[in-house]
Amino acid sequence: GENVEQHPSTLSVQEGDSAVIKCTYSDSASNYFPWYKQELGKRPQLIIDIRSNVGEKKDQRIAVTLNKTAKHFSLHITETQPEDSAVYFCAAVEYGNKLVFGAGTILRVKS
Amino acid sequence: GAGVSQSPRYKVAKRGQDVALRCDPISGHVSLFWYQQALGQGPEFLTYFQNEAQLDKSGLPSDRFFAERPEGSVSTLKIQRTQQEDSAVYLCASSVTGPTTQETQYFGPGTRLLVL
Repeated sequence: GENVEQHPSTLSVQEGDSAVIKCTYSDSASNYFPWYKQELGKRPQLIIDIRSNVGEKKDQRIAVTLNKTAKHFSLHITETQPEDSAVYFCAAVEYGNKLVFGAGTILRVKS
Repeated sequence: GAGVSQSPRYKVAKRGQDVALRCDPISGHVSLFWYQQALGQGPEFLTYFQNEAQLDKSGLPSDRFFAERPEGSVSTLKIQRTQQEDSAVYLCASSVTGPTTQETQYFGPGTRLLVL
């Protein structure tokens, strides 16, 4: 089955700097890659997703890139703000829409 | 509109007790998923329903875990004879359509289960 690895496990940045989180996946058949943000004690919330027919997608300060050949995808957050502090999870979709998650990255934005 | 809701939000059980966790998906959503999230980890898939049909239960850790969605809307995850290793947050998610398209999954707030 699918296996997703995510790094770094923790990331501290200064407010206004950029943050990059990287994930790799194992199943070349996976074709949907969402990113979720989870604040402490809250539900995971989708922040951006990308499908395998697209190499990059942007939404304001957030962007995701996908390299199908290398089987990796990355989340980029620019101009980070304290409210961006949270745990971020990448995921890949196996057959049946089942999400396989990475272990998560704790992002701390220092003001 | 209303999002995915789950109840109870917190549950403390003594080892050996049975528990039932409820999920109310977004109205009209065909697909419903259960995930288990251990402390400091990403969610892990448990089971998947399309309407009332349980199409995948490969993630259920043992036969003590049972899920149902009898009318294709509300779902219940039941854990029999709870063990300490069952302590986790149980997340429910729903999406609009079935498995042929990659649809956004909307998560509920989770039920935090603590087995003493």
